[in-house]
Amino acid sequence: DTGVSQNPRHKITKRGQNVTFRCDPISEHNRLYWYRQTLGQGPEFLTYFQNEAQLEKSRLLSDRFSAERPKGSFSTLEIQRTEQGDSAMYLCASSPQVNTEAFFGQGTRLTVV
Amino acid sequence: QQQVKQSPQSLIVQKGGISIINCAYENTAFDYFPWYQQFPGKGPALLIAIRPDVSEKKEGRFTISFNKSAKQFSLHIMDSQPGDSATYFCAATQGGSEKLVFGKGTKLTVNP
Repeated sequence: DTGVSQNPRHKITKRGQNVTFRCDPISEHNRLYWYRQTLGQGPEFLTYFQNEAQLEKSRLLSDRFSAERPKGSFSTLEIQRTEQGDSAMYLCASSPQVNTEAFFGQGTRLTVV
Repeated sequence: QQQVKQSPQSLIVQKGGISIINCAYENTAFDYFPWYQQFPGKGPALLIAIRPDVSEKKEGRFTISFNKSAKQFSLHIMDSQPGDSATYFCAATQGGSEKLVFGKGTKLTVNP
């Protein structure tokens, strides 16, 4: 499968715990994006990497959120001290260059209880 | 502030009919307008996209109509099929930004 891969697909965690999600983009795509999607809403931009550099961050990305792409390949999104409001689908996407098709993964559904 | 407004929220169409979903935007700097299709449990998938230098783009049964002066664009699905039942999102982005701004989505149901 050469699409965007996200793990885990589902995560249930208790409030206050830390969680980490992984995204493996399409090979050779240098652009990688994280979005958050809540029920009944469109995806909302969180952050963007070009290779290993994090170039844009949304105000939605509070201090409890951190994203990395250490070698310009896979990326991780960590949420510290999770809150119930963090419950959402976290989507990763990649693209080969600007303003071209962004390919989305199937997402990680986070439930904070 | 919602930068891309999408309507209707839900749409029911009979098989073979035309589905029309509308979007309006505020930011005149937007220069790329994709439509995404999302099935339950899946990530969004690009359906068709347009740039403001053309007023219409057609790919198979899917057509985008773009009205730059009105800051509106719409998706037309001709000969709608039950397999088209999904949630559709319009989006927009501007040169220099990698951020896609999405509408709230339209849940399309095509009855057999």
